Amino acid sequence: DTAVSQTPKYLVTQMGNDKSIKCEQNLGHDTMYWYKQDSKKFLKIMFSYNNKELIINETVPNRFSPKSPDKAHLNLHINSLELGDSAVYFCASSQVQNRGSGANVLTFGAGSRLTVL
Amino acid sequence: DQQVKQNSPSLSVQEGRISILNCDYTNSMFDYFLWYKKYPAEGPTFLISISSIKDKNEDGRFTVFLNKSAKHLSLHIVPSQPGDSAVYFCAASPGNQFYFGTGTSLTVIP
Repeated sequence: DTAVSQTPKYLVTQMGNDKSIKCEQNLGHDTMYWYKQDSKKFLKIMFSYNNKELIINETVPNRFSPKSPDKAHLNLHINSLELGDSAVYFCASSQVQNRGSGANVLTFGAGSRLTVL
Repeated sequence: DQQVKQNSPSLSVQEGRISILNCDYTNSMFDYFLWYKKYPAEGPTFLISISSIKDKNEDGRFTVFLNKSAKHLSLHIVPSQPGDSAVYFCAASPGNQFYFGTGTSLTVIP
């Protein structure tokens, strides 16, 4: 009964390959996110979808393409992988609160460690 | 440009003592601040939050203090327990966007 599950947990691949990471949440949340944690442990937002619509798209190479087939799923596809893409990618979800109604709390998946050789 | 900073990468504390983790931020428009705890090979889990209109929020052994004039918040854990050993991330939110610090690794020594 995992709340936010992402697969695969580990991914080792060669430069130039294309790979996907999948994410699913069973919390009924309306918003999903992809975060990247780099070697300096900095957790940085990449994308956010609210009810299947892209609402946050940070400065990320266009080799990264998120896809949300429904509000419970947000997948991340990466084309032409580069060495610098090696990182841990975290999927998260939240139920967005109205301003002043409380903190918007993220629920994270366990992370997908991508290693590009 | 890091808007949330945790300047101490690590902290060691004896079991039973107080752990104090610090966080600084730059954007006065943040309206909520959150602390997350992360164990190895797991995702961060929510611990406690505080609204920008408060200066303290307490939940059991965990208390978060906010000093808006100094743009500083801290997490106090008392008494510290070995199971508290983890990486703690500070986060700030202006709505549904989140900015995270780089984390402080806490080790509680039995």
